Amino acid sequence: EAEVAQSPRYKITEKSQAVAFWCDPISGHATLYWYRQILGQGPELLVQFQDESVVDDSQLPKDRFSAERLKGVDSTLKIQPAELGDSAMYLCASSLGAGGGTEAFFGQGTRLTVV
Amino acid sequence: DAKTTQPNSMESNEEEPVHLPCNHSTISGTDYIHWYRQLPSQGPEYVIHGLTSNVNNRMASLAIAEDRKSSTLILHRATLRDAAVYYCILRGFSGGSNYKLTFGKGTLLTVNP
Repeated sequence: EAEVAQSPRYKITEKSQAVAFWCDPISGHATLYWYRQILGQGPELLVQFQDESVVDDSQLPKDRFSAERLKGVDSTLKIQPAELGDSAMYLCASSLGAGGGTEAFFGQGTRLTVV
Repeated sequence: DAKTTQPNSMESNEEEPVHLPCNHSTISGTDYIHWYRQLPSQGPEYVIHGLTSNVNNRMASLAIAEDRKSSTLILHRATLRDAAVYYCILRGFSGGSNYKLTFGKGTLLTVNP
């Protein structure tokens, strides 16, 4: 069964360092999402791509976070510099499209700890 | 974004049916009702979705009120593997051809053996 692949699974970084997460969506999925989930809360959408274009980044802290999906396939989310409050699970998801009846598939996530 | 209201937690017994409620009184005509669940240390998993009519799939059933202001996710026979946080989400139109998937806090379901 096709899966959304994320790496690394776990990352520990020091405050003020740069960190990057990678996501490989299910083949053929045009829509890719990055979510952040703080312990005990639901996932929060950071950025959504349709192919290589950003369609929603309204909750992305653009002073330190950046995301790209250069060829409309895999994607990278970067944080520079990392802050203690960035400790969270970062989830990537993909779907065939972004229609209302579309199912999204999530990866296992990257657990980030900033020390 | 239209909001949903769910109980923080619910308990059930193994092999019994579970009815997880969700209120969404501000739902708009273009909002789809989605349910996802999240097992510990895993990403969310799609369960079911609907627009106006009740829906069934291999995992669950979704009962939607006639006025669409509430819905209920039904697990017909709960197993220990169904213990998870269940999210009721309104996937709403946000421009172009995009429908936004916005999670709330969800309901933590505990299944007792």
